[in-house]
Amino acid sequence: AQKVTQAQTEISVVEKEDVTLDCVYETRDTTYYLFWYKQPPSGELVFLIRRNSFDEQNEISGRYSWNFQKSTSSFNFTITASQVVDSAVYFCALRRGNTGKLIFGQGTTLQVKP
Amino acid sequence: NAGVTQTPKFQVLKTGQSMTLQCAQDMNHEYMSWYRQDPGMGLRLIHYSVGAGITDQGEVPNGYNVSRSTTEDFPLRLLSAAPSQTSVYFCASSYSNLGLVPGELFFGEGSRLTVL
Repeated sequence: AQKVTQAQTEISVVEKEDVTLDCVYETRDTTYYLFWYKQPPSGELVFLIRRNSFDEQNEISGRYSWNFQKSTSSFNFTITASQVVDSAVYFCALRRGNTGKLIFGQGTTLQVKP
Repeated sequence: NAGVTQTPKFQVLKTGQSMTLQCAQDMNHEYMSWYRQDPGMGLRLIHYSVGAGITDQGEVPNGYNVSRSTTEDFPLRLLSAAPSQTSVYFCASSYSNLGLVPGELFFGEGSRLTVL
């Protein structure tokens, strides 16, 4: 069975702090895809990143970085020097290679205080 | 570009009423899906489709029906609404599936449904 766990329900930081959002997944597939989405207070869902199971290279995009470790089945997301605009709910998701099903974690609500 | 369009954005129903949430995409995406979002539950997959004429169940399909007669449209039907179906519903689509490298999901703006 597939499962995505985001153990942190809510995180509160002060602006300019670094923050890491954890994501642990379960799957028996050898080919799968991991995603992060952001949901700001306005409610829309915004795609942040996709990572393939055969590519463990970490990625950095501006203040965002992602650490993918197959050995621990984790795909963690770090925001460096957080800003108030980063306040949102962040979802980690898992998609099997041979189906279209995308399964989401419960989400982590990040509050960045000025 | 319209992207993924959901209607209506808000709806109030009485228990037992039926309704259809409409979803249309203009990106020629093969894959379409419906999710519901509830506090503390994340987004849960209701039904999905990998192409016209093909649908399958997700995590929480009970009480919902879908059909996919065209590539563009993927309506979600509630045949007899229940208070437990009060939620925010999202339709999403992507450009590839079934072993190909899947594209990211494009989401509609959501439909807030209240069942009294």
